[in-house]
Parts: sequence; C-alpha cells; structure tokens
Amino acid sequence: EAGVTQSPTHLIKTRGQQATLRCSPISGHTSVYWYQQALGLGLQFLLWYDEGEERNRGNFPPRFSGRQFPNYSSELNVNALELEDSALYLCASSSTWDRDGTDTQYFGPGTRLTVL
Amino acid sequence: EDKVVQSPLSLVVHEGDTVTLNCSYEVTNFRSLLWYKQEKKAPTFLFMLTSSGIEKKSGRLSSILDKKELFSILNITATQTGDSAVYLCAVLLGTSGGTSYGKLTFGQGTILTVHP
Repeated sequence: EAGVTQSPTHLIKTRGQQATLRCSPISGHTSVYWYQQALGLGLQFLLWYDEGEERNRGNFPPRFSGRQFPNYSSELNVNALELEDSALYLCASSSTWDRDGTDTQYFGPGTRLTVL
Repeated sequence: EDKVVQSPLSLVVHEGDTVTLNCSYEVTNFRSLLWYKQEKKAPTFLFMLTSSGIEKKSGRLSSILDKKELFSILNITATQTGDSAVYLCAVLLGTSGGTSYGKLTFGQGTILTVHP
C-alpha cells in the first residue's frame, strides 16, 4: 500500500514569490495535516484539513494557506515568501478522527523549500 | 502553552547497548502520545500510547506512558547502527472545537548515534 506522497521533493524560490506544495494521503485517509520543520526548530503544526474543510491551523500568518480536494489530496500555498520560510514541509494523513487508535498521523517524505 | 520536552537531546552509544529516551509533557486536552523515528526526512511511526501503564512493544523497541506523572519513555535494547536517527515524541491534542484540536505538538527530538 502506498504511503503519503509529496511533490516536489525540492523547491527553490526567491523572496516574494509564491510556492505550492502538494500531498496525496494514504488511500482511505480523509485527514491531511501540514507541518513545518525549520532548521534548529522542531516540527510546527501548520494546518489540518478533513473532508475538504480546514479544521484547525497553527500560529502561522495568513499567507500560509491551503485546500483539500474531493479526492482528499491537499495543496499548501505560501505567498510572499520570506527567507525564514526555508524549511522542510511535511504532510501527514490519518483516517477518521473520532475513532480511537485510528487517528495516527503518518508522514510523507517532505518538500524541501529553499527561499533565496 | 502546550509543551513537550525530550531528554537527552543527544546520545552516543555502542552497538549492543540499551538506551532509554525520555519525554515529558504539559498539555491541555491530552489525547495520545506518539513516538516517531526520523532518519532522513519522513518521520516513521513507532508507537501510539493512550493508556497509562500499558507497555507497547515492537521487537527491540518498547514504550510506556505514565499519565499521572505526565511522561513516557522509549527503550531500545541491543542497539544497532541502523537505530541511529532522531527520535521524536509528540502529543496529540484536542477535543472537538478546541484550539489545539487535531494537532501534534512535538518535542525537540533526541539524536541517537550508535557506533559499531
């Protein structure tokens, strides 16, 4: 069974540009989560989508946004890129939230975003 | 503010040694505690713990949660060079509608290096 996939693997942008990162969850999973892992910092929660809706977001500015498509894949958009947005962006997926033991989040390989 | 603290931050051992990694937490709306192993990019799921005092075991790895004292430990026996990685502890938060709903709060990680 395929795991969580993300594209692209690497992305290089310049300050002020926009970046779009993509994630496909494990088959059967309806929830997609986005995390940022910047150098020297731990994983920080960005966004959670479930059944096409944003359920929660972390302490990030509004220029971090995303959406979830009917097939449960997701896109993270970062507008007006800043140097400090350079990080590994990890996507995770889980199955239905409310069933105990099934909301384990499984991670994809990440997209390395570099802002020059 | 929700907090997860891991110790030690780094550990160097030789093959065959046994190691214990610690994770303490102070959070509201605890739901479960998860351990992940991160080698290159994608954190790989190891254990999810929800009940106090029940040990989870997988091969040479085991983990236990103490909800009264708010900590968990991850044990690795007979370490191998392939165990070298960053071990991440995360707490899954939230009841429906809460601001922390659905997010994983991560510790800083423990860097484990196993020498031959």
